[in-house]
Amino acid sequence: GESVGLHLPTLSVQEGDNSIINCAYSNSASDYFIWYKQESGKGPQFIIDIRSNMDKRQGQRVTVLLNKTVKHLSLQIAATQPGDSAVYFCAEKSAGRRALTFGSGTRLQVQP
Amino acid sequence: ETGVTQSPTHLIKTRGQQVTLRCSSQSGHNTVSWYQQALGQGPQFIFQYYREEENGRGNFPPRFSGLQFPNYSSELNVNALELDDSALYLCASSFAGAGELFFGEGSRLTVL
Repeated sequence: GESVGLHLPTLSVQEGDNSIINCAYSNSASDYFIWYKQESGKGPQFIIDIRSNMDKRQGQRVTVLLNKTVKHLSLQIAATQPGDSAVYFCAEKSAGRRALTFGSGTRLQVQP
Repeated sequence: ETGVTQSPTHLIKTRGQQVTLRCSSQSGHNTVSWYQQALGQGPQFIFQYYREEENGRGNFPPRFSGLQFPNYSSELNVNALELDDSALYLCASSFAGAGELFFGEGSRLTVL
């Protein structure tokens, strides 16, 4: 079936470095993508989203890149801080579907 | 803080019992979705409610049922609990048709 997956289960970076979290998806009909951050014991928190008619979108310290040709999504975090330590999920949705389909998550560890 | 509140935050049940989880959506949101998140995995879509009716369902058996009330709050009911139902149950609210979901902090269910 269709799935959303992540390349790396754990990413460890030094404080102040830039982080890149990758995500592959297989549903060619996906037209909406979203990144969530989940801290331990909490619910997922919205970071940034992007529609399939765009290939880049920027927020505060975060950038999402979408490559529809290879069905790849990435989240870039600039100047990573200890507070960025969490599990990051990408999720996708296609037109007409009610559900977001989540990947299994990447744990980001920020070393001081 | 998303404005989505869930109760209870933690509960323990035994196999065969029934459980009801509650969710109050963010003010103005008319759609509620429920997700199950097993330990170490991404959230899995259970179902969505809009205008007090279920309008989308994931791959969950009929013993998972729900309700949405006129004030858009919602309940998730699970009958005949099984050990594998142990998980974090997440409620998310949104505007109908919107991609972004706003999640609550979840209800942690343990089935013994």
